[in-house]
Amino acid sequence: DIQMTQSPSSVSASVGDRVTITCRASQGVSSWLAWYQQKPARAPKLLIYATSSLQSGVPSRFSGSGSGTDFTLTISSLQPEDFATYYCQQANSFPPTFGQGTKVEIK
Amino acid sequence: QVQLVQSGAEVKRPGASLKVSCRASRYTFTDYYIHWVRQAPGQGLEWMGWLNPKSGDTNLAQRFKGRVTMTRDTPIRTAYMNVNRLKSDDTAVYYCARGANWGSGLDFDYWGQGTLVTVSS
Repeated sequence: DIQMTQSPSSVSASVGDRVTITCRASQGVSSWLAWYQQKPARAPKLLIYATSSLQSGVPSRFSGSGSGTDFTLTISSLQPEDFATYYCQQANSFPPTFGQGTKVEIK
Repeated sequence: QVQLVQSGAEVKRPGASLKVSCRASRYTFTDYYIHWVRQAPGQGLEWMGWLNPKSGDTNLAQRFKGRVTMTRDTPIRTAYMNVNRLKSDDTAVYYCARGANWGSGLDFDYWGQGTLVTVSS
């Protein structure tokens, strides 16, 4: 199985900050990398698929980049509703696997 | 708006069986795979397997083969997941999710609300 490793595990940031989360795959996943946002006691929500495609309805302050094994999720200007846990997931090969999550907390 | 509505919370004894349902609406049920993902308390997301609602075919993660089955009732647009021989470490929130219609279909564009399953003696 492909192992997905996110860093950092948590980040403290203020409203308006730029936040970057990285995700590394143990082997290449082409561009089939997705990002999800999960708030406490809620289901995950798809933010970005295929590395950089924004899911319908997701604000443009979210962006993704990368290819192969190294990927990045960027929140350009953190908003109060963005405090949550973020997961990357490879969708290139069976079985799909997730990173361990990055918690974005209020500084 | 696509909806996936899951059955309610369950408390089970070790060794018992579990059946969780996932009712789909506002899209053509047989056009998209249904995946099941679980999340143990305070932990990350673990993919369990997928169901093709059109054919009934399934594909499970290795660790769940032999203990988990996935079925569907197409006329009522509902997918089911059964877990047998429950253990305490099966305690988790179980999610159904719709497989996307791009690429390999191994990412998930809509999710159910989750079903909390507690396994305890």
